[in-house]
Amino acid sequence: QKEVEQDPGPLSVPEGAIVSLNCTYSNSAFQYFMWYRQYSRKGPELLMYTYSSGNKEDGRFTAQVDKSSKYISLFIRDSQPSDSATYLCAMRKAGGFKTIFGAGTRLFVKA
Amino acid sequence: SQTIHQWPATLVQPVGSPLSLECTVEGTSNPNLYWYRQAAGRGLQLLFYSVGIGQISSEVPQNLSASRPQDRQFILSSKKLLLSDSGFYLCAWTPALEETQYFGPGTRLLVL
Repeated sequence: QKEVEQDPGPLSVPEGAIVSLNCTYSNSAFQYFMWYRQYSRKGPELLMYTYSSGNKEDGRFTAQVDKSSKYISLFIRDSQPSDSATYLCAMRKAGGFKTIFGAGTRLFVKA
Repeated sequence: SQTIHQWPATLVQPVGSPLSLECTVEGTSNPNLYWYRQAAGRGLQLLFYSVGIGQISSEVPQNLSASRPQDRQFILSSKKLLLSDSGFYLCAWTPALEETQYFGPGTRLLVL
């Protein structure tokens, strides 16, 4: 079993839709949770960073962490064609040196 | 501000040739540094990480090696490239005492 599971998609939505991206994990020691956006042929860009459980909002993006269920989500409101990219979840233990990444979900937002 | 540089952006090399990819970070001290490889349509594979000058931890026992000659410089090398070394190589860094990780622009390597 992988430490982090993420559906690779692809996920195709119309412009303006609310997008929900999710990851599950198995290691309860993870404390730091991140979401990255990666455009084709580019390095991943950090979108959201959350410590422990709870919600965090930044513009059209909301990150949620449910540690009891070992489940994290990224919501994108009013999705735009420019949001079309691969989204990677990532997580890390406190004091750890390594970040564990999901496989990434490919998202297509159609105009 | 903090920035990360990687070069070259694209590289085409024959099988059996050597490799040297360089990564430098600006605007920070004592970062943790990382090399990842991303095969086409695949996830990120951690190759090496370093918590200080001269300190290298290897995650994948292949024909690749890494060195950190200076605090903010990380080099990925190979003496003889294999076809299977083709991929997108990403350098990343984590600021000292922080947990977030930031990526460079990547180097696309094609071994023919």
